[in-house]
Amino acid sequence: GDSVTQMEGPVTLSEEAFLTINCTYTATGYPSLFWYVQYPGEGLQLLLKATKADDKGSNKGFEATYRKETTSFHLEKGSVQVSDSAVYFCALSNTGFQKLVFGTGTRLLVSP
Amino acid sequence: GAVVSQHPSRVICKSGTSVKIECRSLDFQATTMFWYRQFPKQSLMLMATSNEGSKATYEQGVEKDKFLINHASLTLSTLTVTSAHPEDSSFYICSAPPSRGTDTQYFGPGTRLTVL
Repeated sequence: GDSVTQMEGPVTLSEEAFLTINCTYTATGYPSLFWYVQYPGEGLQLLLKATKADDKGSNKGFEATYRKETTSFHLEKGSVQVSDSAVYFCALSNTGFQKLVFGTGTRLLVSP
Repeated sequence: GAVVSQHPSRVICKSGTSVKIECRSLDFQATTMFWYRQFPKQSLMLMATSNEGSKATYEQGVEKDKFLINHASLTLSTLTVTSAHPEDSSFYICSAPPSRGTDTQYFGPGTRLTVL
C-alpha cells in the first residue's frame, strides 16, 4: 500500500540556519503530496502542497518540490526562526485529497 | 480561519470502561470527518471516515464494534472507544474538509487517551 517515510527527529537548529527535512513516498498512480505543520497545542495545518511532478509548493518561506524520479518531497527553508519550532508531517493522497497517508512526523527545535 | 475542536483534550480511564471523544467543526458544516490515531513515534493512521447521516467507513483492521462512530449532525462526530484496554491508549485526531472535493482539511488538536 501507499506509504510515506520521513527523517526521524528531533532536528535541532540555530536561528537563521538552513533546514531540510527529507520525505520519500511509495504510491501507486500519481498522488498529491503535502506538508502539514503542528504547533504546540494546536491541530495540524496545511503548510504547502504539490499535485503533480515537478510542481513546487511554497508558503511562509518553506518550499518542497515534487520529484517523481526520486519519489521525494523534501521540505526546505533558507533561514529558520524560533517560531518555526513545531512537528512537520509529510503526507500523500491518492483519493482526491481527502484520505491522507502520513509520515511519522519530524520535530523541529529552533534555538535563538 | 475554520476551526475544528476536540473534547476532551486528555482522558484517563480504567480498563473496561468506554470513552467518548467529540469532534466539532466550529464555523463550517462537515458532511465528512476523518478519525486518525497516532502511537508514539509512529504515523497518523486513518481509522475511519465518518459520514453525516450514514454509517462510518472503517479502514482495514479497525474494529467497528470497538470504535463506534456517530456523525449525527453536520458539525459533530463522536468516537466512542468501547471497553477500553491499555493497548487502546493513543492520540486520537479528527479532521474535516470544509467542502467536497477540496484539498483543504482542518484538524482538531487531538485527544490523548490513557487506559490504566
